[in-house]
Amino acid sequence: DAGVIQSPRHEVTEMGQEVTLRCKPISGHDYLFWYRQTMMRGLELLIYFNNNVPIDDSGMPEDRFSAKMPNASFSTLKIQPSEPRDSAVYFCASSLRAYEQFFGPGTRLTVL
Amino acid sequence: AQRVTQPEKLLSVFKGAPVELKCNYSYSGSPELFWYVQYSRQRLQLLLRHISRESIKGFTADLNKGETSFHLKKPFAQEEDSAMYYCALSRGSTLGRLYFGRGTQLTVWP
Repeated sequence: DAGVIQSPRHEVTEMGQEVTLRCKPISGHDYLFWYRQTMMRGLELLIYFNNNVPIDDSGMPEDRFSAKMPNASFSTLKIQPSEPRDSAVYFCASSLRAYEQFFGPGTRLTVL
Repeated sequence: AQRVTQPEKLLSVFKGAPVELKCNYSYSGSPELFWYVQYSRQRLQLLLRHISRESIKGFTADLNKGETSFHLKKPFAQEEDSAMYYCALSRGSTLGRLYFGRGTQLTVWP
């Protein structure tokens, strides 16, 4: 198993553009998490899903952020429009009921 | 509400010295506590969990409910221990969700 897969690994875009980050969780896992990591704020949970249903999106910064999980093997995090303060590393993680979360390699987003 | 506090953002020790990464939490229920580690250019991964009571890579952590702490310790640090360490808490009742501290960057000098 390749583990959690994220794409792209790096994204550089200009302010105002739409950004879409993608995640493929480990097959069979029923939880999926989106995190953002910055030097200032550390690791922040943005949103998480259980069986493809969003459970808690209270960490989503604002309406510019949206996340979907159309099926058990795919999720997207979209930022529209993007701003320089969105620059961060975005992680996707998945887990199977229990508490060990398996993280993807992350997407480093730079918004100019 | 629950909170995980890692008071040290940066921690440096010399090889062979003992190391302790501090983690304090606040939660009125019975939490599950974890340590995750992120080595350079690697994924964030679970290091250990308190319910397992195991030692991983020479690291141990004891849950002290009286002091609401879960400090990570190693008697003799190695250069390969240099990494970012995150303490995390699960409320148990909310399966799957973890609350992370802000992390401690450990550097072990040769």
